[in-house]
Amino acid sequence: GAVVSQHPSWVICKSGTSVKIECRSLDFQATTMFWYRQFPKQSLMLMATSNEGSKATYEQGVEKDKFLINHASLTLSTLTVTSAHPEDSSFYICSARPPRANTEAFFGQGTRLTVV
Amino acid sequence: DAKTTQPTSMDCAEGRAANLPCNHSTISGNEYVYWYRQIHSQGPQYIIHGLKNNETNEMASLIITEDRKSSTLILPHATLRDTAVYYCIVRVAGVGNQFYFGTGTSLTVIP
Repeated sequence: GAVVSQHPSWVICKSGTSVKIECRSLDFQATTMFWYRQFPKQSLMLMATSNEGSKATYEQGVEKDKFLINHASLTLSTLTVTSAHPEDSSFYICSARPPRANTEAFFGQGTRLTVV
Repeated sequence: DAKTTQPTSMDCAEGRAANLPCNHSTISGNEYVYWYRQIHSQGPQYIIHGLKNNETNEMASLIITEDRKSSTLILPHATLRDTAVYYCIVRVAGVGNQFYFGTGTSLTVIP
């Protein structure tokens, strides 16, 4: 199946700094990618939809100025957590779908962010 | 997207079939049923999806009731590596359409 890759797999950063997470579709072009956040023992929560060449669409309650999303190419979307705080510590996951009708979405392996 | 209801947790003996139910009574005619699973600290893995016909692949079978208000994911011979959280999602097909995850079923395969 198609592959979606995230980098880094884990990151530790100091409070107040910014962290960038990359999401790449390795063998298909993705005009749309999705970013999720998952806290321990909870389900995945959709944060935003990343659209190539245009602004991301954020879910209600997600701060767009804190979670900056850039989708500059058809194979790369980035999520930047700005001015990170300990409460931003979470598991961040991206997904993308090949541009064919009725296909499944593929998910990256996730990025574990710890803010200290 | 229609909401789904799944049992919080289930156990299954190794080697036996695991049958995971999902209720989606408000599903619309153009919404597909997707199943994913998530093993601890990994991204979700696609299992199978269908619209109204039963589907089978190398991982599992998907049985959708005739009224489409519920479905069952069947893992024919569960192994310890099938221990995971299983998510049933209904959504309209379309590249830009999001997947919204519910709480899922935590399946534990017991030796």
